[in-house]
Amino acid sequence: AQRVTQPEKLLSVFKGAPVELKCNYSYSGSPELFWYVQYSRQRLQLLLRHISRESIKGFTADLNKGETSFHLKKPFAQEEDSAMYYCALSPTGGFKTIFGAGTRLFVKA
Amino acid sequence: EAGVAQSPRYKIIEKRQSVAFWCNPISGHATLYWYQQILGQGPKLLIQFQNNGVVDDSQLPKDRFSAERLKGVDSTLKIQPAKLEDSAVYLCASSSDSFSSYEQYFGPGTRLTVT
Repeated sequence: AQRVTQPEKLLSVFKGAPVELKCNYSYSGSPELFWYVQYSRQRLQLLLRHISRESIKGFTADLNKGETSFHLKKPFAQEEDSAMYYCALSPTGGFKTIFGAGTRLFVKA
Repeated sequence: EAGVAQSPRYKIIEKRQSVAFWCNPISGHATLYWYQQILGQGPKLLIQFQNNGVVDDSQLPKDRFSAERLKGVDSTLKIQPAKLEDSAVYLCASSSDSFSSYEQYFGPGTRLTVT
């Protein structure tokens, strides 16, 4: 069964500390993976996707097919990074996006 | 570009009543999605349209939920009759790609409370 697991519901770090939000997926093929973010009182929006290999707002995510993971990382967390982060999977060329339950990141001053 | 519009933003109804939500996607976007997000969970896809055709409704509770997208633009999602467990935020999203679900643009959502 297709599944996206985000093991941490809440992650709290100090400003300037590294941050890693974990995402593990279950899918038999080669899916497309995304990170979406929702800032306070804003809409859910795309942060990055693995096919573009971009760094957005200092965040990067590497797809590890062996470990079926797509962890989101940032070397130095900022207070404005505090938000809800969702990992999502879409079957290649498919029609269904599956979201994880989300991780709330809180960056303390 | 104007974003995805949804209305109403909030709705409170009693169980067994009916309710309808409206979504206007970004102009030119062929694909439209309805998600249900229960508190503490990620969005769950209910139905996906490509233009005015349904491409996935496997998780739509068809005994009480229905959706349509007339003329391939606006869409409505209806619940009839509502149950307590339907309390959630209903999100509409759209994307410009026809055969994949790349970047989706989300609306503000409609928060439904069923009492």
